[in-house]
Amino acid sequence: QVQLVESGGGVVQPGRSLRLSCAASGFTFSTYAMHWVRQAPGKGLEWVAVISYDGSDKYYADSVKGRFTISRDISKNTLYLQMNYLTTDDTAVYHCAKDLSFGEFTGYFDYWGQGTLVTVSS
Amino acid sequence: EIVLTQSPATLSLSPGERATLSCRASQGVSTYLAWYQQKPGQAPRLLIYDASNRATGIPARFSGSGSGTDFTLTISSLEPEDFAVYYCQQRSKYTFGQGTKLEIK
Repeated sequence: QVQLVESGGGVVQPGRSLRLSCAASGFTFSTYAMHWVRQAPGKGLEWVAVISYDGSDKYYADSVKGRFTISRDISKNTLYLQMNYLTTDDTAVYHCAKDLSFGEFTGYFDYWGQGTLVTVSS
Repeated sequence: EIVLTQSPATLSLSPGERATLSCRASQGVSTYLAWYQQKPGQAPRLLIYDASNRATGIPARFSGSGSGTDFTLTISSLEPEDFAVYYCQQRSKYTFGQGTKLEIK
């Protein structure tokens, strides 16, 4: 069965960096676009970034553009999110999510990880 | 930017009743809309995509309808496990609505 397991969250000071990982299993990782979606404590869902199945296309929410970088390692079945210049507004649970359809961006997320909490605080 | 507005913010119903949740888009999104269910401490679960297609494993009591700017998620007869927060989402810029909390009356 599909499993997505995030790691790398923690407490970090404003202005610092953090890298999140998402280990994928149970499906052919190299054939699906992957996303990061975050949820601030007690708040709603906010899409963060997407990467195409082959890593050639990447798109970001305006709120993180220029600070966050999404990437993937097909050999390790792992998705990453490099987060730089963190602010308190970035405090959230970060979920990785699999795109619904093979080989394209549908923009729908059919499997989600449980998430990893990032707390930005001085 | 397309804004999705969900109503009501909170819906109080009893098991066995019919639930109707609304999502309105600030611009037309054709049928490119999804619905998710989220329970406390859990990741969201995809229920409906492309406005009316049930995702794999989703019970038939969940149905979606609408196109353009007005969409509806209907739960025909509420089960105890259906009480949760529901989000709509459009696939153009992946934006979500603010959520509707479905609570037990």
